Amino acid sequence: GNSVTQMEGPVTLSEEAFLTINCTYTATGYPSLFWYVQYPGEGLQLLLKATKADDKGSNKGFEATYRKETTSFHLEKGSVQVSDSAVYFCALSGFGNEKLTFGTGTRLTIIP
Amino acid sequence: NAGVTQTPKFQVLKTGQSMTLQCAQDMNHEYMSWYRQDPGMGLRLIHYSVGAGITDQGEVPNGYNVSRSTTEDFPLRLLSAAPSQTSVYFCASSTGGSPAYEQYFGPGTRLTVT
Repeated sequence: GNSVTQMEGPVTLSEEAFLTINCTYTATGYPSLFWYVQYPGEGLQLLLKATKADDKGSNKGFEATYRKETTSFHLEKGSVQVSDSAVYFCALSGFGNEKLTFGTGTRLTIIP
Repeated sequence: NAGVTQTPKFQVLKTGQSMTLQCAQDMNHEYMSWYRQDPGMGLRLIHYSVGAGITDQGEVPNGYNVSRSTTEDFPLRLLSAAPSQTSVYFCASSTGGSPAYEQYFGPGTRLTVT
């Protein structure tokens, strides 16, 4: 079946540091890939997505590229802010599949 | 638009009690789903619906029932609460007919079963 493996947390960085959160997946065919973010006390919200190989999703300074050859969708940001502190979830939706498969989440804390 | 709303925000139940978690959306979305979030396990799908009158099981359906009589509402029923159902529950809806489209999540219900 489908599965998502993402980097264990928690991750703590200083403001303006470079961020990478690794995500790899297992799926048949060509799934759609997502990053969702959960701010404290809130539900998840979509951060970015990519629907085919080599697509790059981007939003709020975050980027992730769909790499089929390495089955990866790593999340990056060049300069993080305190307001980026949240839990980040990588997820996939397989072709013809009725559900999202989530990774376990990575808690990110940015210190001033 | 209120988006996706969930009630209650917090709930404490005793083992064996039953209750219904409410979920409503005002975006006319066909696809709705329920997830539970447990530490170290991400989100797991309980049940989902692709339209009024149509529901199906996700990966962890045991102990839960759903129905979808209207497009707007998708309640989740706990039949006989167990401590293993202590979790945070999220309802979500989607613009398209599947989760490949952006999902909009409610704020969650934190349930404790003693």
